Amino acid sequence: AQSVTQPDIHITVSEGASLELRCNYSYGATPYLFWYVQSPGQGLQLLLKYFSGDTLVQGIKGFEAEFKRSQSSFNLRKPSVHWSDAAEYFCAVGAQNDYKLSFGAGTTVTVRA
Amino acid sequence: DAGITQSPRHKVTETGTPVTLRCHQTENHRYMYWYRQDPGHGLRLIHYSYGVKDTDKGEVSDGYSVSRSKTEDFLLTLESATSSQTSVYFCAISVGGAPYNEQFFGPGTRLTVL
Repeated sequence: AQSVTQPDIHITVSEGASLELRCNYSYGATPYLFWYVQSPGQGLQLLLKYFSGDTLVQGIKGFEAEFKRSQSSFNLRKPSVHWSDAAEYFCAVGAQNDYKLSFGAGTTVTVRA
Repeated sequence: DAGITQSPRHKVTETGTPVTLRCHQTENHRYMYWYRQDPGHGLRLIHYSYGVKDTDKGEVSDGYSVSRSKTEDFLLTLESATSSQTSVYFCAISVGGAPYNEQFFGPGTRLTVL
């Protein structure tokens, strides 16, 4: 079964600085990878997804993620964060012929002025 | 938002009482899911459905049951609520006709068991 690890529980970043959130997955075949964002008191919103093809994926709100098979990673990046990016971010992995997604425990991002 | 609604949005109940949460979708998606979200655990799958009357257990199914008698509705029941079931519950649907496609989430139900 697939699993996801998000090593950072909490990250604090200054507004305008770059952001990188780490995600490591465990799965033997080609995974389907997702990043979601959850603002306080809200549901989860899909930021981007990777199924196949170009390993650098662009998403909404200026986010991108890079799939690195050799490192079993799918890290999320944003060049310049805005105060509105303060939220919790979840990485998830799925697999073909499996009904389920497995979610990481999440990384909380705090943006300081 | 994939037309997903959850009801109620907030509920406070007492230990030992039954509770039913409803998830409703308007777009006839085949796959539906119930998750619970707790600090430090992310989202954990309780039950899922792959069609009318077709359901299966997730990783934290003990104490929960589900039913799906219509495509649009997926009900989660806590037979006898316990304080450990205090959580935020999210319903999700999978779009694109395959279960491993991206999931879209409802707004959540905050349940408190006293």
